[in-house]
Amino acid sequence: QVQLVQSGAEVKKPGASVKVSCKASGYTFSSYGISWVRQAPGQGLEWMGWISPYNGNTNYGQNFQGRVTMTTDTSTSTAHMELRSLRSDDTAVYYCARDPTRDYFDSWGQGTLVTVSS
Amino acid sequence: QSALTQPRSVSGSPGQSVTISCTGTSNDVGGYNYVSWYQQHPGKAPKLMIFDVSKRPSGVPDRFSGSKSGNTASLTISGLQAEDEADYYCCSYTGTYTYSVFGTGTKVTVL
Repeated sequence: QVQLVQSGAEVKKPGASVKVSCKASGYTFSSYGISWVRQAPGQGLEWMGWISPYNGNTNYGQNFQGRVTMTTDTSTSTAHMELRSLRSDDTAVYYCARDPTRDYFDSWGQGTLVTVSS
Repeated sequence: QSALTQPRSVSGSPGQSVTISCTGTSNDVGGYNYVSWYQQHPGKAPKLMIFDVSKRPSGVPDRFSGSKSGNTASLTISGLQAEDEADYYCCSYTGTYTYSVFGTGTKVTVL
């Protein structure tokens, strides 16, 4: 079965960077895109961006351009999302999700809590 | 890209039907037949319930249905059950640059 397993919770100081990983299994990793979505405490979902493991093409949401980098490692079927220049309002649960056709997300990771605090 | 507009909450008794609206613009909901809906229970990851406006993934009960008219998409839950109590989010494709935008979310309460 399709499974996305994310790395553990992180605590970072303002201005630092964080890198969250997402290991996929149960399907051909390079055949499906990966999107990243975040959810601040008590808030809604926010799409951050998308990457194609097949060719590395990316597309980032306007709110994150210049501050986020998404990469994949096909040898380990793992996607990574790095967010830089962290602020307190970046405190959120970050999810990776399989993205078959760039318009919906059919499997999700369990989420990674990133806390930004001085 | 502004979030799609959903009602903050809806409620219904077991067995009743509830409908959640999701209003966007001609640049997202109205421009493409690519609206999806997600169910999220507290502390859990979202779950895909509807994609491409009205298609149900395997395993999703047929009590859940989706539709769209103009710039507004809708999710209807028929025969409401206790386990349907959750937050629901719509999502729409927005074109080739930013791809996706979520709705503001709706809390469904089973009375």
